Amino acid sequence: GQQLNQSPQSMFIQEGEDVSMNCTSSSIFNTWLWYKQDPGEGPVLLIALYKAGELTSNGRLTAQFGITRKDSFLNISASIPSDVGIYFCAGSTNTGNQFYFGTGTSLTVIP
Amino acid sequence: KAGVTQTPRYLIKTRGQQVTLSCSPISGHRSVSWYQQTPGQGLQFLFEYFSETQRNKGNFPGRFSGRQFSNSRSEMNVSTLELGDSALYLCASSLFGGSQAVNSPLHFGNGTRLTVT
Repeated sequence: GQQLNQSPQSMFIQEGEDVSMNCTSSSIFNTWLWYKQDPGEGPVLLIALYKAGELTSNGRLTAQFGITRKDSFLNISASIPSDVGIYFCAGSTNTGNQFYFGTGTSLTVIP
Repeated sequence: KAGVTQTPRYLIKTRGQQVTLSCSPISGHRSVSWYQQTPGQGLQFLFEYFSETQRNKGNFPGRFSGRQFSNSRSEMNVSTLELGDSALYLCASSLFGGSQAVNSPLHFGNGTRLTVT
């Protein structure tokens, strides 16, 4: 199946710092989605990207759809303790809802 | 607006048994997708239903099946359970599916935690 490389695997940062994580694919994607998952809960949609080069913000979060259509990144500015969790990227190569997920980035924010 | 609802939240079954999981999508959403989440394999796509028809299917054995009803609610069935089927099963809904799933992101429920002993 499709391989989505997500990095870094984990991050430990001080409160107030900015965070950056990214995903790369071996295939061209038509859609990139970013999710956050807390323990015991399902993934929550953060940002959806549908066009190459698209840059979209959601509060302190900003994500971009790479122009090669094989990568995407997520930035979190001025991190706060509630940003703790696992962040996943997901990409789709077709117009259906079959998405391939990255392996996740575990974020720890130290107060 | 209520989110995606999955029942039950937890299940414990024995090898060889079968299990049925239920999912109610967000009101107005017509597509339901199912994903399996395990520590080793991460999130993997099982199948997608839109307008009561399976539109896409992932690489899982035939023991995994599903269906969608006219009210868009969906069920997933796993027969002849194996230890390796222990996982968090996530349901996601979106407004549209199949070839119409453009600009229609997935919204997940909190999952059903299945343990097979």
